[in-house]
Amino acid sequence: AQSVTQPDIHITVSEGASLELRCNYSYGATPYLFWYVQSPGQGLQLLLKYFSGDTLVQGIKGFEAEFKRSQSSFNLRKPSVHWSDAAEYFCAVGGDDYKLSFGAGTTVTVRA
Amino acid sequence: KAGVTQTPRYLIKTRGQQVTLSCSPISGHRSVSWYQQTPGQGLQFLFEYFSETQRNKGNFPGRFSGRQFSNSRSEMNVSTLELGDSALYLCASNFYGGAEETQYFGPGTRLLVL
Repeated sequence: AQSVTQPDIHITVSEGASLELRCNYSYGATPYLFWYVQSPGQGLQLLLKYFSGDTLVQGIKGFEAEFKRSQSSFNLRKPSVHWSDAAEYFCAVGGDDYKLSFGAGTTVTVRA
Repeated sequence: KAGVTQTPRYLIKTRGQQVTLSCSPISGHRSVSWYQQTPGQGLQFLFEYFSETQRNKGNFPGRFSGRQFSNSRSEMNVSTLELGDSALYLCASNFYGGAEETQYFGPGTRLLVL
């Protein structure tokens, strides 16, 4: 069975500070990994994805994530957070069939 | 290129009724997935269609069904609505193409069952 754990339900970070969101997954084969962001009342926007190749993946809005197979992790990072980054972030795992399992999400609050 | 379109955006129904939600994927995408998002259960996979065929199904009762048309537009239907069906229903447009494979989500349909 595939699953995703996002250990942090809520993170508060100061504007300009760095951000790291944790994601641990369970998947029986080579995983497809995703990070999505959701603003209140909105759908999901894809930040980045990992299918294969370079384990450090660059995404939109200055985000990056690193795939670590040995740790079954796919943590999301941003060097300097902007107030507009306040949102809920979801990590997801799946295969090439787009049957994704999502984590419970991490809500990010940005303080001035 | 237009994004994923979902209609209606908001819907209010009463218990026992049925509802049909529509999703138009990105032009050229032949696959559509549906997800249910609730505060208690989070995001859960409902089903995926590719070229009018259901390829995957999540763990939902038979009251939840879907279909895909030849133009790739998809509908999902929920019969005999229950209060617990209140949720945001998200449709995703899936592109299969090697390194370009990805999944784009629509804005969702928010369903409230009274």
